[in-house]
Amino acid sequence: NAGVTQTPKFQVLKTGQSMTLQCAQDMNHNSMYWYRQDPGMGLRLIYYSASEGTTDKGEVPNGYNVSRLNKREFSLRLESAAPSQTSVYFCASSEFHITNTEAFFGQGTRLTVV
Amino acid sequence: GENVEQHPSTLSVQEGDSAVIKCTYSDSASNYFPWYKQELGKRPQLIIDIRSNVGEKKDQRIAVTLNKTAKHFSLHITETQPEDSAVYFCAATGFQKLVFGTGTRLLVSP
Repeated sequence: NAGVTQTPKFQVLKTGQSMTLQCAQDMNHNSMYWYRQDPGMGLRLIYYSASEGTTDKGEVPNGYNVSRLNKREFSLRLESAAPSQTSVYFCASSEFHITNTEAFFGQGTRLTVV
Repeated sequence: GENVEQHPSTLSVQEGDSAVIKCTYSDSASNYFPWYKQELGKRPQLIIDIRSNVGEKKDQRIAVTLNKTAKHFSLHITETQPEDSAVYFCAATGFQKLVFGTGTRLLVSP
């Protein structure tokens, strides 16, 4: 099983450019999440989708939008990238909201905004 | 919403020593407390978890304890080995989502 797959793995953007980070899971999980990881800040929740058709803001949603395309896919969009969005982004999925179970993470996307 | 605090931010031990990482949480409704290990350049991976109806759980050299009254939980690693060197994250359930602590960088020296 592939688990959780994120694309791309690395990306460099210029300030003001837009891009979409893709995430797909093959574990039939209902819940999906986008986190960003910055040094000393841990993993901070950007947006989450508790089930297909729903999305909600997390701790740091400003500057981002998300789409739960179907049960498998959850994308994160930066409409106008800023240097403050330089970070490592992780997508994750779980059956969490039903049974409080393990969250599985993708391999991460290292984004640099110059 | 849920808030999770984690200490210490860095921890250096000698091989064979024990390591303890502590976390506190704010939402008394939280009922699931996982611990993740992240090696350099890799994704976080679950190493152990505990649910609120259990006070302690062990898995070989790793154990977690939970005190719901005080709203804190801890990770204990015994007989540390160099391969235990990594960043460890605690987490707690908020409503429909998982909230992480800021991480502890553990360095085990041979």
